[in-house]
Amino acid sequence: AQKITQTQPGMFVQEKEAVTLDCTYDTSDPSYGLFWYKQPSSGEMIFLIYQGSYDQQNATEGRYSLNFQKARKSANLVISASQLGDSAMYFCAMREGGGATNKLIFGTGTLLAVQP
Amino acid sequence: DTAVSQTPKYLVTQMGNDKSIKCEQNLGHDTMYWYKQDSKKFLKIMFSYNNKELIINETVPNRFSPKSPDKAHLNLHINSLELGDSAVYFCASSRAGGENTEAFFGQGTRLTVV
Repeated sequence: AQKITQTQPGMFVQEKEAVTLDCTYDTSDPSYGLFWYKQPSSGEMIFLIYQGSYDQQNATEGRYSLNFQKARKSANLVISASQLGDSAMYFCAMREGGGATNKLIFGTGTLLAVQP
Repeated sequence: DTAVSQTPKYLVTQMGNDKSIKCEQNLGHDTMYWYKQDSKKFLKIMFSYNNKELIINETVPNRFSPKSPDKAHLNLHINSLELGDSAVYFCASSRAGGENTEAFFGQGTRLTVV
C-alpha cells in the first residue's frame, strides 16, 4: 500500500502568489516524522521542512510552512510569495519511529512551475 | 565543504560492465543509504547501513553490492550492468534512530547503461 500520496503531478503558480502542495500519508505508528524535499532541475535533493507527529504547532521555515492535519493524515506544504527559483520537483516523505531500521519513504512528487 | 559527496556525477557504460559509485559524508552520521530514482522521478530506498552494518536491503538484485569500509563511507558496486539499471543513484546520510532525523543527500550519480 502506498504510504505517501502526492496527487498533484504538476502545479502552476504565478510569481508572488502562495501555493499548496498536497501530501497524505498512511501509518499505524503513533510516532512518525514528515519531511518535504525540493529537487531543482540541477538534481540535488534539498531538505526544506520537518513536522513531527507529536508537534502541536505547524512547522514553518521562512516562506515554507506545513499544514499538518493529523486526523486527516495530511501534511501539505505551503509556499508563500512564490519565486521563479521555486520551480522544482517537491517530494513529501515520511519516517516512522523505530530505531535504525526506519527509513525515509517518498511520495511520487509534484512538479511546480512558477510563472512570471 | 560538501556534506555528502558522491562520485562520479555521471557514468555512462555498456551492458555487462561492472561499475562502482563512491559516497562519503563528513557529518559524523551513523547511518547511510542508497536510493534509486527512476525515470519517473520515483525515489526508492535500496540499502541502509548503520555503523558499517547492513540494516535494510530492499530486495535489490544481488548484482548490487554495497560496501561500507567505515561509517563515513558507503560505496555501491554494480556487477553485470543491465539497461534497466539506468537511473539516478543518491547516497544519503542521517543520524541514527528516531523519526525526526532528516536525511542529507549527495548530488546524485546519473548512470546510463547503453
